[in-house]
Amino acid sequence: NAGVTQTPKFQVLKTGQSMTLQCAQDMNHNSMYWYRQDPGMGLRLIYYSASEGTTDKGEVPNGYNVSRLNKREFSLRLESAAPSQTSVYFCASSPEAVDYGYTFGSGTRLTVV
Amino acid sequence: EDQVTQSPEALRLQEGESSSLNCSYTVSGLRGLFWYRQDPGKGPEFLFTLYSAGEEKEKERLKATLTKKESFLHITAPKPEDSATYLCAVQAPILQGGSEKLVFGKGTKLTVNP
Repeated sequence: NAGVTQTPKFQVLKTGQSMTLQCAQDMNHNSMYWYRQDPGMGLRLIYYSASEGTTDKGEVPNGYNVSRLNKREFSLRLESAAPSQTSVYFCASSPEAVDYGYTFGSGTRLTVV
Repeated sequence: EDQVTQSPEALRLQEGESSSLNCSYTVSGLRGLFWYRQDPGKGPEFLFTLYSAGEEKEKERLKATLTKKESFLHITAPKPEDSATYLCAVQAPILQGGSEKLVFGKGTKLTVNP
């Protein structure tokens, strides 16, 4: 099925550990995004990539890094995980004309203990 | 600062009981307003895009409308399968990047009882 694939679906980290969340889309979209979703906070943009080879910060970038590996893949890295990064992370993609909105992945539920 | 406020936070309806969800927004230069549906444990699923005041779009039991300050998602004769969280988002510019982003509201959790 066409869409956005995220791995892993669940992860538990200890404080200070690092990990990379993977995201791939097969819709030939130019733009890709990483959001986090927390209870009572809604979806907040972490980083985005308007096109292959470019990345920019969103609202809450501290503690994260990203890599747009190619047009299909956009990864999110936590270098030293903190309990405040416990959240559900969503990757999304969109074509240049966003009339049909973003297509979201199914999310990664991350717990940092 | 771009803001999106959704109300109510939660809504319980009986099957067949019509109602409306509200999304009010403040954004400089609205390019589009989006409605999404999110089921537990899943990512948001696109429903509608609205661009200008007076515009309406329908899909099954859902109808979205837009004014200059707010949008409504009307649910007519809802069924239990309509139970989900409904998210509203506005398309706003990211000034430093020259691109645009979606700014989301916190959502309305709808429960439809049989």
